[in-house]
Amino acid sequence: QQPVQSPQAVILREGEDAVINCSSSKALYSVHWYRQKHGEAPVFLMILLKGGEQKGHEKISASFNEKKQQSSLYLTASQLSYSGTYFCGTESTSGTYKYIFGTGTRLKVLA
Amino acid sequence: DAGVTQSPTHLIKTRGQHVTLRCSPISGHKSVSWYQQVLGQGPQFIFQYYEKEERGRGNFPDRFSARQFPNYSSELNVNALLLGDSALYLCASSLLGGSYEQYFGPGTRLTVT
Repeated sequence: QQPVQSPQAVILREGEDAVINCSSSKALYSVHWYRQKHGEAPVFLMILLKGGEQKGHEKISASFNEKKQQSSLYLTASQLSYSGTYFCGTESTSGTYKYIFGTGTRLKVLA
Repeated sequence: DAGVTQSPTHLIKTRGQHVTLRCSPISGHKSVSWYQQVLGQGPQFIFQYYEKEERGRGNFPDRFSARQFPNYSSELNVNALLLGDSALYLCASSLLGGSYEQYFGPGTRLTVT
């Protein structure tokens, strides 16, 4: 089952904050976050693992609530370069291995 | 360091033909995954290979097949092309597969006419 992201789209001014949520109907063991700019490939932002371990390489934070089967991505003091479509991604926990991307959130930052 | 590379960049094929797409992972990465991305949608998982073995398969017909070579590069083959196969095909490499971060190549844009 595909994780559902909210909001579907958001428009910000530079310097404003945003939160993107990712909810799954099945248990999550890890969540990945990606940003994809128009015409480009997705770029890895962050991974959150069950147990709280978090790995990433940009100044963006995230949380992972295993009980609620949710993850949230926090973008603070947004910059123009943050514009793009954000996807969460997770592994299927039943049957053969599958990787599933969320429904996506389009974010646009205006000057 | 070189990132993930894919070839060709663009491809135009006719219905019924077959196509082979190629991917070279980041040096040291042993896992390659393939995704199909239709315009306006998120990537859809096709295959993951780790150490030359198929580790996972998405909900794609048997017309789609892949393999991974001893140098960890990979090929995606699609037979009997349909118009609906037109999409951006993305390859991603990761160190060990599973819950490790994936790094995407620029993709191959396939158009089926």
